Amino acid sequence: ETGVTQTPRHLVMGMTNKKSLKCEQHLGHNAMYWYKQSAKKPLELMFVYSLEERVENNSVPSRFSPECPNSSHLFLHLHTLQPEDSALYLCASSQDLGGEQFFGPGTRLTVL
Amino acid sequence: AQSVTQLGSHVSVSEGALVLLRCNYSSSVPPYLFWYVQYPNQGLQLLLKYTSAATLVKGINGFEAEFKKSETSFHLTKPSAHMSDAAEYFCAVSTYGGATNKLIFGTGTLLAVQP
Repeated sequence: ETGVTQTPRHLVMGMTNKKSLKCEQHLGHNAMYWYKQSAKKPLELMFVYSLEERVENNSVPSRFSPECPNSSHLFLHLHTLQPEDSALYLCASSQDLGGEQFFGPGTRLTVL
Repeated sequence: AQSVTQLGSHVSVSEGALVLLRCNYSSSVPPYLFWYVQYPNQGLQLLLKYTSAATLVKGINGFEAEFKKSETSFHLTKPSAHMSDAAEYFCAVSTYGGATNKLIFGTGTLLAVQP
């Protein structure tokens, strides 16, 4: 595997479910990011991790919980989501904060 | 604070015609600027980047962009559009190593290429 991978690619869940999105980067980067991409809205930065420490949390509801166990892996734990949380969730990584970001293919999330 | 404005959420060109996608930025410090492309159901892919070297930057797939400080612009161009260029394009600004260690994205421009 090369670059940034995300699993699953598609996820359908009910509002009472708990699920997790996984991101893995094979680039040796130090920073990782979660973005939310909704139709007709700008790309929204959700969380930023640098060297496994969270450095930014952009007023994201607590029903989204990130986890970065090491510099190669990033998770987004989901619980009691709302239908408006349906979106494409993109993971990215960069060598250092603010540098060129490499994106994964995204997870298409649908909340019923 | 930094920001990016992309003029035109939808642009349509004929195959073989010039592609021009507009991006204006606002930054209180020298910016780093990026153009990304997103094909349907995929993540964003870097097309090109400006990092204070040459003002005319060449990227992949025949795209290029020119940094114009006086106009605070970083427009993306391609001399001749291909059908495969149909995608959404995002401009982004960053102050790498500065106070804002993140990319600020524009709202995107959806490019349609007509046969």
